[in-house]
Amino acid sequence: DTEVTQTPKHLVMGMTNKKSLKCEQHMGHRAMYWYKQKAKKPPELMFVYSYEKLSINESVPSRFSPECPNSSLLNLHLHALQPEDSALYLCASSQRDRVRLGSGANVLTFGAGSRLTVL
Amino acid sequence: GENVEQHPSTLSVQEGDSAVIKCTYSDSASNYFPWYKQELGKRPQLIIDIRSNVGEKKDQRIAVTLNKTAKHFSLHITETQPEDSAVYFCAASLEYGNKLVFGAGTILRVKS
Repeated sequence: DTEVTQTPKHLVMGMTNKKSLKCEQHMGHRAMYWYKQKAKKPPELMFVYSYEKLSINESVPSRFSPECPNSSLLNLHLHALQPEDSALYLCASSQRDRVRLGSGANVLTFGAGSRLTVL
Repeated sequence: GENVEQHPSTLSVQEGDSAVIKCTYSDSASNYFPWYKQELGKRPQLIIDIRSNVGEKKDQRIAVTLNKTAKHFSLHITETQPEDSAVYFCAASLEYGNKLVFGAGTILRVKS
């Protein structure tokens, strides 16, 4: 299995709802990432998990809450979102997040994304 | 922090011609430079990457060059085909921490 799987593919939610995005990989990767991508813009890093521990939080609002239950799963819990949070949320993984130059273990594999619409 | 600028924002070429996309980065400590291709509604996919210990890398019709002194790197696609049409993103990071910063993207259109 060489894929990163994200569910759901599409999600519509109101500003008072609580929902979760899920990401799964079975490549043995120990680093997992959440990116946010607005239309016609590049992906922006939100969170990095390394060995199931949060290693980078790019000053993301607390209405986004990441969780890494085990080395294969990454969740993003959503609560009290705003319409401007509507975007494509991309999960990615890599073998490691801290590597020697040239080892290749930091190459990202992206999932297909979850397209979120906040009404 | 790192800042990556990418040019041009759109590029139209005739099938069979070459396409060149250029990026500059600000942090001289960055040492990893991948290029991603994203087709409409699809995930970004790595097409080629280069590390700071080499100056050029080639994979069939795709090549990347890196000038560390000038802090810029470029993607070259030769013999373009309609299926090369997509958005291309450059990125830069330190391999330690793997915090990729992306350029704004280039929309490449290959006309047949």
